[in-house]
Amino acid sequence: EVRLVESGGGLVQPGGSLRLSCAASGFTFSSYEMTWVRQAPGKGLEWLSYISTSSSTIYYADSVRGRFTTSRDNAKESQFLLMNSLRVEDTAVYYCARSESSGLGGRPEHFDVWGQGTRVTVSS
Amino acid sequence: DIQMTQSPSSLSASVGDRVTITCQAGQDINNHLNWYQQKPGKAPNLLIYDISRLEPGVPSRFTGSGSGTEFTFTISSLQPEDIGTYYCQQFETLPITFGQGTRLEIK
Repeated sequence: EVRLVESGGGLVQPGGSLRLSCAASGFTFSSYEMTWVRQAPGKGLEWLSYISTSSSTIYYADSVRGRFTTSRDNAKESQFLLMNSLRVEDTAVYYCARSESSGLGGRPEHFDVWGQGTRVTVSS
Repeated sequence: DIQMTQSPSSLSASVGDRVTITCQAGQDINNHLNWYQQKPGKAPNLLIYDISRLEPGVPSRFTGSGSGTEFTFTISSLQPEDIGTYYCQQFETLPITFGQGTRLEIK
């Protein structure tokens, strides 16, 4: 079964840090690009980041660039999101997703496998 | 950023009805559009990619069409399990952006 499982969420104070993990199984992780998407309470979906198979290409949304860092460990079949300088507005459910391409890849296109999400609450 | 505007924001329909959701892009997105379904408390699920390609395992009652800046998502015969929120998503340019969602309920 193709599966993504996020972990690492929790309650953190403004200005604090958290590291999210996403463990993949059921597919050849190293062959797939990955992404992070979040959803604030009662709101829509917000794309955050993309990482290519070799980590050579990384993109971020403006809202998190400079504060969040995405990475991956193909040997451990995992993707990570290090979140620093957290703000109240970063409160959301964070989803890890597999990024598929109809073409040559190298950029995020459609997200065909999602994890169940991990909740991050930033509050004092 | 490319703004994606869905309409309606919510709708209520009866089982068996034909349901249509539209998505308007703020600029030409060269057919780089996907559709997702999100059921309450669950992660989004990819239904259609590249305008009209059905994701494997997705029922054929779901279809997508459109071009340029105007796109349509249709459920040909609404089923009870189709309740949820539907999102369009463009991948023409970064950042990836989603529509605000259309909440679908059963009458």
